[in-house]
Amino acid sequence: GAVVSQHPSRVICKSGTSVKIECRSLDFQATTMFWYRQFPKQSLMLMATSNEGSKATYEQGVEKDKFLINHASLTLSTLTVTSAHPEDSSFYICSARSGGDGYTFGSGTRLTVV
Amino acid sequence: GQQVMQIPQYQHVQEGEDFTTYCNSSTTLSNIQWYKQRPGGHPVFLIQLVKSGEVKKQKRLTFQFGEAKKNSSLHITATQTTDVGTYFCASYSSASKIIFGSGTRLSIRP
Repeated sequence: GAVVSQHPSRVICKSGTSVKIECRSLDFQATTMFWYRQFPKQSLMLMATSNEGSKATYEQGVEKDKFLINHASLTLSTLTVTSAHPEDSSFYICSARSGGDGYTFGSGTRLTVV
Repeated sequence: GQQVMQIPQYQHVQEGEDFTTYCNSSTTLSNIQWYKQRPGGHPVFLIQLVKSGEVKKQKRLTFQFGEAKKNSSLHITATQTTDVGTYFCASYSSASKIIFGSGTRLSIRP
């Protein structure tokens, strides 16, 4: 089946630094990818929609200057958390539609900001 | 915006008992999807329902889409320890984005 590879799986960074998370579609082209954030014991909240070759669209309340999204190719989307703070600590997951009914999710990135 | 409410939030059952989670929407849904997320893992697609009144089965799992396409349910018969996880319903928004329900966390007593 379709695979979305997400890296890194875990990252610990110091407050004020930036962290880049990558998502790659391995065996299909993803013109659109979705980025979610999930706090412990909560549901997935859509942050933004990443569009290949154009600007990402952000959900209400998500700071586009803080969460930079780049979709440079049909198989790669990146999310950069800039000037990270402890409240940004969360589980970040990307997903893409591979052609079937459902969406394929990356394995997620657990970000801890200390 | 579109919201999908899911109940219960938690369910703790004895192994072998049945389990049901429900999703409700105030608006008509074009479709409903169900995902399972194991503890520490990522959501995995289970199924999609599109038609009014549709019922689909996957082994011990039965999925239903309401006649009015405003609600859906997932029923697991005779739960096993491998069923542990959080079950999410989800639906497409008008912008083809997936909006997730709040999830039902299932835990099982062996």
